[in-house]
Amino acid sequence: NAGVTQTPKFRVLKTGQSMTLLCAQDMNHEYMYWYRQDPGMGLRLIHYSVGEGTTAKGEVPDGYNVSRLKKQNFLLGLESAAPSQTSVYFCASRPGTSPLHFGNGTRLTVT
Amino acid sequence: AQSVTQLGSHVSVSEGALVLLRCNYSSSVPPYLFWYVQYPNQGLQLLLKYTTGATLVKGINGFEAEFKKSETSFHLTKPSAHMSDAAEYFCAVSDWGAGNQFYFGTGTSLTVIP
Repeated sequence: NAGVTQTPKFRVLKTGQSMTLLCAQDMNHEYMYWYRQDPGMGLRLIHYSVGEGTTAKGEVPDGYNVSRLKKQNFLLGLESAAPSQTSVYFCASRPGTSPLHFGNGTRLTVT
Repeated sequence: AQSVTQLGSHVSVSEGALVLLRCNYSSSVPPYLFWYVQYPNQGLQLLLKYTTGATLVKGINGFEAEFKKSETSFHLTKPSAHMSDAAEYFCAVSDWGAGNQFYFGTGTSLTVIP
């Protein structure tokens, strides 16, 4: 059972480049989330989804877009990367009222 | 809105000593509370959770936490620290509201001194 899988694990971008982070879960969970983790700031919610075809903004959505075309996948896009988006990105999922299941993260550096 | 405060971004304890990591929350509704642990270069793993019922919750690896409504606290403890407990610990609250959002504290890094 793979759980929550994030692709890629590492990425280096130049300012202005775009990329998409993929999150896939095989647990049939309804809810999916994208967080970013920065030193001293804990985890901050970027966007989330309560089901296939739905997305909503979290605490720090600016500069990011998301899509949930299939229930098992949640994509996070950066249209024009900025150094401030250097971070570790975590995807998480959960069924109804249960704790979050996390992926192992994507370390993104924007130069 | 919910929020979580973790007192002490860094905590050091000797091996075999008591571990106490503090968490206070604010919530307008009865909260669901969680502790997660993060080992280097890994995602977060659930240590324990409080939803309803018994206020003393036992988790994995010998950790436990007590929900104290009057103090709005959910402190994490372990009687005897082990070297393998060195990690980052996050407290989180959820109110099962719109989007079922989780709100995380800023984390506490635990160092265990041999």
